[in-house]
Amino acid sequence: KAGVTQTPRYLIKTRGQQVTLSCSPISGHRSVSWYQQTPGQGLQFLFEYFSETQRNKGNFPGRFSGRQFSNSRSEMNVSTLELGDSALYLCASSLDGTGDYGYTFGSGTRLTVV
Amino acid sequence: AQRVTQPEKLLSVFKGAPVELKCNYSYSGSPELFWYVQYSRQRLQLLLRHISRESIKGFTADLNKGETSFHLKKPFAQEEDSAMYYCALAFTGANNLFFGTGTRLTVIP
Repeated sequence: KAGVTQTPRYLIKTRGQQVTLSCSPISGHRSVSWYQQTPGQGLQFLFEYFSETQRNKGNFPGRFSGRQFSNSRSEMNVSTLELGDSALYLCASSLDGTGDYGYTFGSGTRLTVV
Repeated sequence: AQRVTQPEKLLSVFKGAPVELKCNYSYSGSPELFWYVQYSRQRLQLLLRHISRESIKGFTADLNKGETSFHLKKPFAQEEDSAMYYCALAFTGANNLFFGTGTRLTVIP
């Protein structure tokens, strides 16, 4: 079955702009979580959605938001981009969001803010 | 607060030598622990998790609750094991992972 699909693969934006990233989970998976990966901070949890509801949120400013659609696809939005937002953004798909069934990661979207 | 510590950023071993990647965690409850691996230009993928107690690609990891450790071990390293390894923790009922900072393993031919 198809894996986790993230689009686009690469993005270049300028400071102050906003960006939307997309994640399509594995068919049947209802949980999508987002992570930011940077060389300095490593992998940090952004938020998790299950059945269109945000259940958990990491320690990121309100400029980072997300949503999930009825087909479980999720989008992440970052407004008023800052240089420090440059990172690889990963989404992870899970059957129910717990560790019981593991998490499958997408290839990520590499965002560069200039 | 829960935390995952991987003390070694870089680890180099010779092919055929044993390898151990260290992971310590702090969490007062019963954690679920994972090892993820990221090969060059590939996505992050699950290597193993403690609840399944399985061996993947020759790697094993034992949860030591007394020492709060979940070290990853392999008796004989192979060149294809060169990658970035992340230890991760999910606490009971949670729906996200806390990652360590990762260890880059290089297996020298």
